[in-house]
Amino acid sequence: EIVLTQSPGTLSLSPGERATLSCRASQSVSSSYLAWYQQKPGQAPRLLIYGASSRATGIPDRFSGSGSGTDFTLTISRLEPEDFAVYYCQQYGSSSWTFGQGTKVEIK
Amino acid sequence: QVQLVQSGAEVKKPGASVKVSCKASGYTFTSYGISWVRQAPGQGLEWMGWISAYNGNTNYAQKLQGRVTMTTDTSTSTAYMELRSLRSDDTAVYYCARGSLGCSGGSCYSIFDPWGQGTLVTVSS
Repeated sequence: EIVLTQSPGTLSLSPGERATLSCRASQSVSSSYLAWYQQKPGQAPRLLIYGASSRATGIPDRFSGSGSGTDFTLTISRLEPEDFAVYYCQQYGSSSWTFGQGTKVEIK
Repeated sequence: QVQLVQSGAEVKKPGASVKVSCKASGYTFTSYGISWVRQAPGQGLEWMGWISAYNGNTNYAQKLQGRVTMTTDTSTSTAYMELRSLRSDDTAVYYCARGSLGCSGGSCYSIFDPWGQGTLVTVSS
């Protein structure tokens, strides 16, 4: 099973700042099958990025994804108040999916 | 609009079973799969399994093999997840999500979108 490790665990930033979230895989992952989700308290997760770098419908362009192989990054160019949430990366391989443990982006 | 609506909260005793439903609307049910994901209190997301609404094929997470069964009813566009022999560590919010997995035009994709609102299952004596 591929293990995804996200860092940092918590990111404390102010609105307007840039957020850089990392997702590292225990073995190489197909970029096609790497996704990012946002989850706010009491809500279901929401798809942000799929295929490592494609934004889902309705996702603002301040969200971008990049990476390949074992290292992937989610970048939020300028944090808006509604972006403070937990972010999960996810991969598909060998007929199963795994999630990273999440990165919480909190207001500094 | 595409929507998944799940059944209500459940309280079960250890050793019992629970069956959660997920009713889809706004799209052709058999053109997608349904994945189930759970989240224990204060914890991250755990993938439980996938079912193709087209042919009923399933993939289950290894740790749940033998305890979980996923089914669909195409006549009502509803997916079901049954978990047996419940333990206290099965206490979680259970989510269904519409799943897209495949390749088209030379590019492949894996997408869980949208998600249901979640169903809290509490296992307690």
